[in-house]
Formats: sequence, structure tokens, C-alpha cells
Amino acid sequence: AQSVAQPEDQVNVAEGNPLTVKCTYSVSGNPYLFWYVQYPNRGLQFLLKYITGDNLVKGSYGFEAEFNKSQTSFHLKKPSALVSDSALYFCARMNTGFQKLVFGTGTRLLVSP
Amino acid sequence: EAGVAQSPRYKIIEKRQSVAFWCNPISGHATLYWYQQILGQGPKLLIQFQNNGVVDDSQLPKDRFSAERLKGVDSTLKIQPAKLEDSAVYLCASSDYELRFGELFFGEGSRLTVL
Repeated sequence: AQSVAQPEDQVNVAEGNPLTVKCTYSVSGNPYLFWYVQYPNRGLQFLLKYITGDNLVKGSYGFEAEFNKSQTSFHLKKPSALVSDSALYFCARMNTGFQKLVFGTGTRLLVSP
Repeated sequence: EAGVAQSPRYKIIEKRQSVAFWCNPISGHATLYWYQQILGQGPKLLIQFQNNGVVDDSQLPKDRFSAERLKGVDSTLKIQPAKLEDSAVYLCASSDYELRFGELFFGEGSRLTVL
């Protein structure tokens, strides 16, 4: 089955430091990959996506993600974390044919002042 | 541009009772999704509509869940009878698939507690 995995339940980082939230995908078909963010008591918001082309994709709020085919990964990164980045981050994969977005289990990011 | 509207935001019911959630997608979005998000888990797709037709309902527990999108605009998700394990946030999302592949716009969700 086409799926994604987020190995970390929580990531802690100090404000101003770089952050990485990890995501790996199953090797099956074309991996159309996405990152979404969920703030408390809010719906999910789209951050960025990889469809094809450059392996480094840039998204909202200064986030970027690198598609790595050899490691089957799509890690989310930001050079300098903000306290306001604290939220729940979901990696997702689009299953072609059915336009179905399948989400990972989520990683809680806590940025301390 | 108005976002995806959902109601009610919160609902508490007892098991075996029924509940209905309403969703109004972004104007012009042909695709509408209902996701179930249980605490500590990622959202799970329950049903996906393209206009008023069902694209995927493979994970919808059809013995108790039903959903409709009669006029291809707003949608209702119903649970009858509810079970304890149905306690979750029900997220509605919509998308303009052709223009913005994979970019779903989510509502704030309807939190259901089944006692």
C-alpha cells in the first residue's frame, strides 16, 4: 500500500535553531508527497508539496522539504524555528487514480523560547 | 474567500444515539472529503465526493455511517447509532483538484464525544 511514516511522535527544538521533522514513504508508484500543519483546535493547513522537478521544495512560513529518492524520505525543514511554529505536522501521500490523500500519524513540534 | 464551514463544532451524545455533521465547502470546489481524526492519530479518509458522486467510501463503516452531497455543494455526515469508538474530530475538506493538485482546504472540524 502507498503510505508514509513519521518516526517521531514529538520533536523539541529551541527558538532560532534549525528544525527537521522526518517523513519516509513506501516505494510504490509515483510518490506525490505533502506536508500539512495543524494548530490547536484548527483544521489542517497545506504547507508544501512535491510532485516532480526540483528535489527541494519551498512552502509557506519559511518551511522547505527535500525529496530524497535513495532514502525514500521527505523531511520537513526550517533554518530558524519560531515559537509560533509549535504545532502538529502531518506528512501525506496522494494515491494516484483515486485522488486520495493518506496521512501519517503526525509529529508534534515544540519550539521553546 | 470564505473557508470551509462546519457545524456543529462540538457535540456530546450517548452511545446508540445519532448525530449529524454539516459541511459547506469553498465555492466552486468540486471535490469534498470527510476525514475522521482520532486523538493521537492522523486523519483517516471516510468518504470522498466528486460533485455529487462518491469517488471513494472504502473506509466508511456503512452499517452506521452515511454521507450525502445531494446538490454537489454542501454535505452531511451522519452516524447512527454511535459507538464509543466514534469519538473523534470529523474534518471536512474541499479541493479544486484540477488547479491545485493535492491541496486540500480543511474546516475547523466537528469534535464528537460519545459517552
